[in-house]
Amino acid sequence: QVQLQESGPGLVKPSQTLSLTCTVSGGSISSGSYYWSWIRQPAGKGLEWIGRIYTSGSTNYNPSLKSRVTISVDTSKNQFSLKLSSVTAADTAVYYCARETMVRGENWFDPWGQGTLVTVSS
Amino acid sequence: SSELTQDPAVSVALGQTVRITCQGDSLRSYYASWYQQKPGQAPVLVIYGKNNRPSGIPDRFSGSSSGNTASLTITGAQAEDEADYYCNSRDSSGNPSFGGGTKLTVL
Repeated sequence: QVQLQESGPGLVKPSQTLSLTCTVSGGSISSGSYYWSWIRQPAGKGLEWIGRIYTSGSTNYNPSLKSRVTISVDTSKNQFSLKLSSVTAADTAVYYCARETMVRGENWFDPWGQGTLVTVSS
Repeated sequence: SSELTQDPAVSVALGQTVRITCQGDSLRSYYASWYQQKPGQAPVLVIYGKNNRPSGIPDRFSGSSSGNTASLTITGAQAEDEADYYCNSRDSSGNPSFGGGTKLTVL
C-alpha cells in the first residue's frame, strides 16, 4: 500500500527557509486523482493544514501562510516538497505529509507520513 | 482559529458509548472525516464520507451528521481508544480545515 515519508533538516535558523520532502512509495504520485498535502502540529496543539498540490501541479495554500509557502512536485522522484520562508519560532512543529482524496466534495487524508519535527532556533 | 469546533475533552467509562462532536457551517454541505491520534504518533483516519471505515478500523467506530454537527461515536469504548480525535472538513474558502481536537479519556 502507499506509504509516505518526510525528510529534511530538523533545525532551521530564524528568518531562513524550511525545506521538507515527502517521498511516496508503493504507488505513483501521478496516478489517481489525489491531492498531496502538508499539515503541521505544534507541540501540544492541534492540526493545521498548510497546503496541497494536485497531480496536475495546481496548488492551494492556507491563506494564513500563503505568502511564505511553496509546494512543488517531482514526479520523476515520486516526491513532493514544502518550502516555508522567513521562519520564526512559531513555525516549530511536527510536519506531516498526507495524501488527500476528494470525492464529490468530500475529502479525507490517508495515509499520513510519520511526521518530522522541525525546530526553529538560532 | 478553527471554523470547526470540538469539545476539548470528553471521558467515557470502559465499555460504554461516547459521542464526540464537531460543529461548523461547512458540515451542512459536507461530511466530516475523523482522525485518531495517540501520543507521539501520526493521525490515523477512522471515519470518512457518510459513515465509512478504512480497512482495519473496528466497527465500534461510526460517524453521523445532522445540520451543522458531525459526530463520531464509539460504541463500547476500549482502553486503546484513549487518544485525541480530530474532525476535518472545509472552511469557507473550500480549503481543508481541522477542528481543535477532543481528548478522549477512557475511565
